[in-house]
Amino acid sequence: QQQVKQSPQSLIVQKGGISIINCAYENTAFDYFPWYQQFPGKGPALLIAIRPDVSEKKEGRFTISFNKSAKQFSLHIMDSQPGDSATYFCAASRSGGNEKLTFGTGTRLTIIP
Amino acid sequence: GAVVSQHPSRVICKSGTSVKIECRSLDFQATTMFWYRQFPKKSLMLMATSNEGSKATYEQGVEKDKFLINHASLTLSTLTVTSAHPEDSSFYICSGERYNEQFFGPGTRLTVL
Repeated sequence: QQQVKQSPQSLIVQKGGISIINCAYENTAFDYFPWYQQFPGKGPALLIAIRPDVSEKKEGRFTISFNKSAKQFSLHIMDSQPGDSATYFCAASRSGGNEKLTFGTGTRLTIIP
Repeated sequence: GAVVSQHPSRVICKSGTSVKIECRSLDFQATTMFWYRQFPKKSLMLMATSNEGSKATYEQGVEKDKFLINHASLTLSTLTVTSAHPEDSSFYICSGERYNEQFFGPGTRLTVL
């Protein structure tokens, strides 16, 4: 009930291409869905987040698509660049203070020239 | 805004000693802070949730007597690994909550010899 399933485990995309990472959740009480980017040896950085009142949110090259009925959400990185090479984690939680995040297993993204 | 720091960034200690890791929210007040542990190429594992002025809430399987958490102010939480052993070697990351979003510190690499 608390799991967040993330795929793929690893992804290689050519520079300029679109990177797509998918997540699925089970707990219908979740209503906050952030994506984090982590570089080796560093802490995760909040990239973009969505709440279920919208189906899509875009910030620069990063877009979250959200499908409430399917309990799925995805991250799209447009015009992928070598600097985007990192590990990406989706997460989910309930709103309100003091709520813990349930993380996906992570996707290692590599952008090749 | 929403910057979280950790100190130290790396620590090496001998088996049996105690190590204290500090987590500070630099530009916001964090009523709630979270402590995570991350193994190589793995996702983040929540260890405990700490609230300013009260006892931490530990996740199942986390030894509260081994991982002492103190959240003495709205900008500082500490994690003390007592009587550290090699199996405690890991990457420890904290986060502070602001407006129901979590912002992560850069992590502390603990190596126990």
